[in-house]
Amino acid sequence: NAGVTQTPKFQVLKTGQSMTLQCAQDMNHNSMYWYRQDPGMGLRLIYYSASEGTTDKGEVPNGYNVSRLNKREFSLRLESAAPSQTSVYFCATTFVTHYEQYFGPGTRLTVT
Amino acid sequence: GNSVTQMEGPVTLSEEAFLTINCTYTATGYPSLFWYVQYPGEGLQLLLKATKADDKGSNKGFEATYRKETTSFHLEKGSVQVSDSAVYFCALTRNNAGNMLTFGGGTRLMVKP
Repeated sequence: NAGVTQTPKFQVLKTGQSMTLQCAQDMNHNSMYWYRQDPGMGLRLIYYSASEGTTDKGEVPNGYNVSRLNKREFSLRLESAAPSQTSVYFCATTFVTHYEQYFGPGTRLTVT
Repeated sequence: GNSVTQMEGPVTLSEEAFLTINCTYTATGYPSLFWYVQYPGEGLQLLLKATKADDKGSNKGFEATYRKETTSFHLEKGSVQVSDSAVYFCALTRNNAGNMLTFGGGTRLMVKP
């Protein structure tokens, strides 16, 4: 039982490059989330998927796209990376009717 | 909208000292309140939670009481250990679709032997 896994753990991109961050969960949770963590700002929600087949914008969606591939997987795509997207990205999951969110270990992204 | 305010850190304590990390919130309705902990290089883990007014959440010696009258959820521990060194996040969510969490900025705790 791996819980919530994220790949890659680290990534360095040049401005304008694209990449996809992967998240997978084996907890049979319905809802999945993508956050970014910046110093002194806590975590901010980028996008979320309340259930398979649905996605919605969070607080800071600009520059990102997401895909809920199936119940287990939720990916985050940066089409044209910018230095402002340098951050640590966390995926999280929860049951719809539960409030506790379970977090993955994070992806540290640097855009130069 | 919803917001969470935490005391700025870092908080530096000696082992066995008493810990308080303040958290206040703004939200409409009746949010649920959480404390998450992030150890170095790891993701966030739920530390404790409270879902209604006057509830006390507790775990691993940490406690926090949901105070609706003061809109607060302060984290306390009677005797901290070096292993408690981490970043602590206060958060809230409302009972609506998506269960979105609103986080405070985090407070770094450093415990010295």
